[in-house]
Amino acid sequence: NAGVTQTPKFQVLKTGQSMTLQCAQDMNHEYMSWYRQDPGMGLRLIHYSVGAGITDQGEVPNGYNVSRSTTEDFPLRLLSAAPSQTSVYFCASTEAGAGELFFGEGSRLTVL
Amino acid sequence: DQQVKQNSPSLSVQEGRISILNCDYTNSMFDYFLWYKKYPAEGPTFLISISSIKDKNEDGRFTVFLNKSAKHLSLHIVPSQPGDSAVYFCAALGGGTSYGKLTFGQGTILTVHP
Repeated sequence: NAGVTQTPKFQVLKTGQSMTLQCAQDMNHEYMSWYRQDPGMGLRLIHYSVGAGITDQGEVPNGYNVSRSTTEDFPLRLLSAAPSQTSVYFCASTEAGAGELFFGEGSRLTVL
Repeated sequence: DQQVKQNSPSLSVQEGRISILNCDYTNSMFDYFLWYKKYPAEGPTFLISISSIKDKNEDGRFTVFLNKSAKHLSLHIVPSQPGDSAVYFCAALGGGTSYGKLTFGQGTILTVHP
């Protein structure tokens, strides 16, 4: 019963490098989201998706790209990492009609 | 502009006593509120929720109260246990926003001392 799986759990990047944070869920949830957690800021929504092929921006989308080619997967791409993107990233999913999000364990990213 | 605010960064209580965590919101379109609990190195987990048509929801030791006129909600934990020590986030949904698009507060670190 995997739920929401995020990889990698830890990553260190240099400024300007690119990478993809992977997220997969096995609950057949329609809705998937990416949040970042920073001290004193809570969790802020980066991008979300209401179904395969449909994505939209959240509160802090700049510097991030997403795509949703399947129901299960929702990768988050950093095209050119910046130190301001140092954070803990959480992927979450939920089914239609529900408010409760199921979160992954998080990915801690450090950009030097 | 922070639409959901948790003004107490931390709270310390004794085991067996009541913990009260507070949350204020500014967007009157919010109509569903949730509390999440987060342990270090783990993702947040859903704790309890309340719809705006109610003013109280109870689940075991956890009770959430909603005061719509004051745009305020609180989470009561009675009795508090050391295992309740965690970061607690309140979150809100509504105003036609899609499910999965929660707005979170900054979080309150709860420490329950044995």
